[in-house]
Amino acid sequence: GENVEQHPSTLSVQEGDSAVIKCTYSDSASNYFPWYKQELGKRPQLIIDIRSNVGEKKDQRIAVTLNKTAKHFSLHITETQPEDSAVYFCAARGGGSQGNLIFGKGTKLSVKP
Amino acid sequence: DGGITQSPKYLFRKEGQNVTLSCEQNLNHDAMYWYRQDPGQGLRLIYYSQIVNDFQKGDIAEGYSVSREKKESFPLTVTSAQKNPTAFYLCASTLSWGPDNSPLHFGNGTRLTVT
Repeated sequence: GENVEQHPSTLSVQEGDSAVIKCTYSDSASNYFPWYKQELGKRPQLIIDIRSNVGEKKDQRIAVTLNKTAKHFSLHITETQPEDSAVYFCAARGGGSQGNLIFGKGTKLSVKP
Repeated sequence: DGGITQSPKYLFRKEGQNVTLSCEQNLNHDAMYWYRQDPGQGLRLIYYSQIVNDFQKGDIAEGYSVSREKKESFPLTVTSAQKNPTAFYLCASTLSWGPDNSPLHFGNGTRLTVT
């Protein structure tokens, strides 16, 4: 089955700097890669996703890149703000009949003012 | 908020007791899911249901049971057989199940503490 590794587990940046979180997956047939943000005590919320037929996707200060050959994808946050502080989860959905998402273990991002 | 309601928000039980967590959605979604969240462990799938009257085991189903008698409802029972039940439980749904289904929508979660 699919296995997702996420790094780093914690990340601290200064306000205005960029933050990058990386994930690798094992199933070459995986075709959908979402990123979720979870603020303390709240539910995870989708912030951006990418499908396997696209290499990069941007939404304002957030971007996701996908390298299918290397089986890794990354979340990039530019011009970080204190409200970006949260736990971020990557996930991958297996191909074929495997329709469930497998999540990474999360990255706790702290943005210092 | 978000169309998925989990209740209660906090739940306390004594060891050896079964407990049922509620999950209701008004999104008209076919597929529903239960995840368990532990610190540093991410989200792990307990059970999922592709459609009403159907459910399948996820990665960590031992000690849990579910039912899906109505499209809107997917309750999770944590039995006394679950060795480490204290955790944050998240219910989620998608429009349909499968490789092309829509993103997960999560409820606000139930924090279960067993002593």
